[in-house]
Amino acid sequence: DAGITQSPRHKVTETGTPVTLRCHQTENHRYMYWYRQDPGHGLRLIHYSYGVKDTDKGEVSDGYSVSRSKTEDFLLTLESATSSQTSVYFCAVDWGERSTDTQYFGPGTRLTVL
Amino acid sequence: AQSVSQHNHHVILSEAASLELGCNYSYGGTVNLFWYVQYPGQHLQLLLKYFSGDPLVKGIKGFEAEFIKSKFSFNLRKPSVQWSDTAEYFCAARPSGATNKLIFGTGTLLAVQP
Repeated sequence: DAGITQSPRHKVTETGTPVTLRCHQTENHRYMYWYRQDPGHGLRLIHYSYGVKDTDKGEVSDGYSVSRSKTEDFLLTLESATSSQTSVYFCAVDWGERSTDTQYFGPGTRLTVL
Repeated sequence: AQSVSQHNHHVILSEAASLELGCNYSYGGTVNLFWYVQYPGQHLQLLLKYFSGDPLVKGIKGFEAEFIKSKFSFNLRKPSVQWSDTAEYFCAARPSGATNKLIFGTGTLLAVQP
């Protein structure tokens, strides 16, 4: 157990509505990540954070924004949800201070956009 | 671009059969390598990792992997699979140096028949 929780665990929403997913960690890890998982694509990085208020884009960042105002929380926002954003979203943390440390994953959020 | 390839997308085995899942990465420098497992409906869990040293690494649940630098490969093996090994397996690579990013393969779905 890496001390990572995600909320909500399941969400169904409609196209065009804003959605915020929360990742919470209790171990004071510096690096946090948001991925989406889709069949045939594995996991793809959306955004990541390397400290409070320090974030950067991943390979599939369009349509997503993030914020990190506290070490323990990393929020992912879909400003206007689309059906293509239906996916399972995983948060992850680096277990250590080095950029090449092992990543551990949260339980995931299943998002359906109708 | 850096990438990770898993050539077996779907593998079906009978219990007690031996398993080998292929993983190749495209990066010429030092790289850390990982295998993750995702049981149905669950999050990714770390099976094993290679950072340096002995190229044959042992992980949990009887899994092992061999790093062959000349072949850019990190294949996962288990001598005798069980029904409980049914899951999706992801290989991932993390180049050391400037990037924090973990690059995933597309996954291999393993079904073990009793």
